[in-house]
Amino acid sequence: AQSVTQPDIHITVSEGASLELRCNYSYGATPYLFWYVQSPGQGLQLLLKYFSGDTLVQGIKGFEAEFKRSQSSFNLRKPSVHWSDAAEYFCAVRSFGNEKLTFGTGTRLTIIP
Amino acid sequence: GAVVSQHPSRVICKSGTSVKIECRSLDFQATTMFWYRQFPKQSLMLMATSNEGSKATYEQGVEKDKFLINHASLTLSTLTVTSAHPEDSSFYICSAPADTHEAFFGQGTRLTVV
Repeated sequence: AQSVTQPDIHITVSEGASLELRCNYSYGATPYLFWYVQSPGQGLQLLLKYFSGDTLVQGIKGFEAEFKRSQSSFNLRKPSVHWSDAAEYFCAVRSFGNEKLTFGTGTRLTIIP
Repeated sequence: GAVVSQHPSRVICKSGTSVKIECRSLDFQATTMFWYRQFPKQSLMLMATSNEGSKATYEQGVEKDKFLINHASLTLSTLTVTSAHPEDSSFYICSAPADTHEAFFGQGTRLTVV
């Protein structure tokens, strides 16, 4: 069965600093990988996705993520965070032919001035 | 992009009553809708999968008689929490997969049972 691990429950970053949120997955083949962001009391917004091809994917709001098959990782990065980036971030995986998403436990991002 | 509209965004109901949550796909046809439950500061847990024109598939441990799901058309899926109790208070989110292999989420419904 596929699974997703987000090792960091809560991360605090200064505004303007760089960010990396970790995500590791467990799946036998190459999965479809996603990062979603959730503001308090809101639904989820897709930041970016990886299906195949270039392992460095660009998303919205200046985010990018890199798929590393050897490490089973799909870490999310942003060079300079803004106060508006404070939210909950979820990594998710699904397999080819299966529309169900499996979510990680989420990482809460706090931005300090 | 594709939009899933979820209504209501917040609802407070008395214990023992039923609450219906609607999810509509606004500009695409959703043959499948996923229903998730999210406890405070936790991840999303899949409750059930609804398919247009057929019975919903429930995840292990989810009471199908408590959480009634109907997917009567290609644009509407509903979740009814029957005989609600305080422990049913939670954030419920729907999601529909699109042809682009991604999923589009509703805005969520905060249910509070008093």
